[in-house]
Amino acid sequence: GAGVSQSPSNKVTEKGKDVELRCDPISGHTALYWYRQSLGQGLEFLIYFQGNSAPDKSGLPSDRFSAERTGGSVSTLTIQRTQQEDSAVYLCASSHDGSGGTGELFFGEGSRLTVL
Amino acid sequence: AQKITQTQPGMFVQEKEAVTLDCTYDTSDPSYGLFWYKQPSSGEMIFLIYQGSYDQQNATEGRYSLNFQKARKSANLVISASQLGDSAMYFCAMREASWAGNTPLVFGKGTRLSVIA
Repeated sequence: GAGVSQSPSNKVTEKGKDVELRCDPISGHTALYWYRQSLGQGLEFLIYFQGNSAPDKSGLPSDRFSAERTGGSVSTLTIQRTQQEDSAVYLCASSHDGSGGTGELFFGEGSRLTVL
Repeated sequence: AQKITQTQPGMFVQEKEAVTLDCTYDTSDPSYGLFWYKQPSSGEMIFLIYQGSYDQQNATEGRYSLNFQKARKSANLVISASQLGDSAMYFCAMREASWAGNTPLVFGKGTRLSVIA
């Protein structure tokens, strides 16, 4: 597609349920990032995939959070046993070059998660 | 430790005036890149400008310029001739480069700019 696509755009779930958020990066982009943005706050780094390298999971807040990237393209962020504090906008971004160059990030429109 | 510091939670500027948004960063890596993004109320993240640590000149993109002071670890964004459409959150971000490749982009907490007619 022309840009980074995220789905769903909005998700309302009950506390304790699992959710999956999907990101389809720009074709050809080797790097993919997940960030979390709580209301009125900055972007919190979660996880970073670069090519075939092991992902940088250093930003994941707990073991309830996991992500995978299949075939070097689509990524899924999974949150298990959701808590109210997980409510936020989850932003995905991709870039053409994760090593060297400016590596400008192109962002999707985000998935807004609300945990009741 | 905070790698990106934006000390101005909110700023006001009169339309057509220039405004400077502050950003300081912390790194011991000699190779890094600095970015500014704009986030309007719609929520999209819009890339504005990039400055590499080895760039000799300050980056400029239209009405945006980056006042890069390497010794002070400062990368302030200057917006000239402010427009009402410039009202948004502005985020400064940094990526460090290592032998293994780039690190993830780390963002500051942002500055909310309001342009007054």
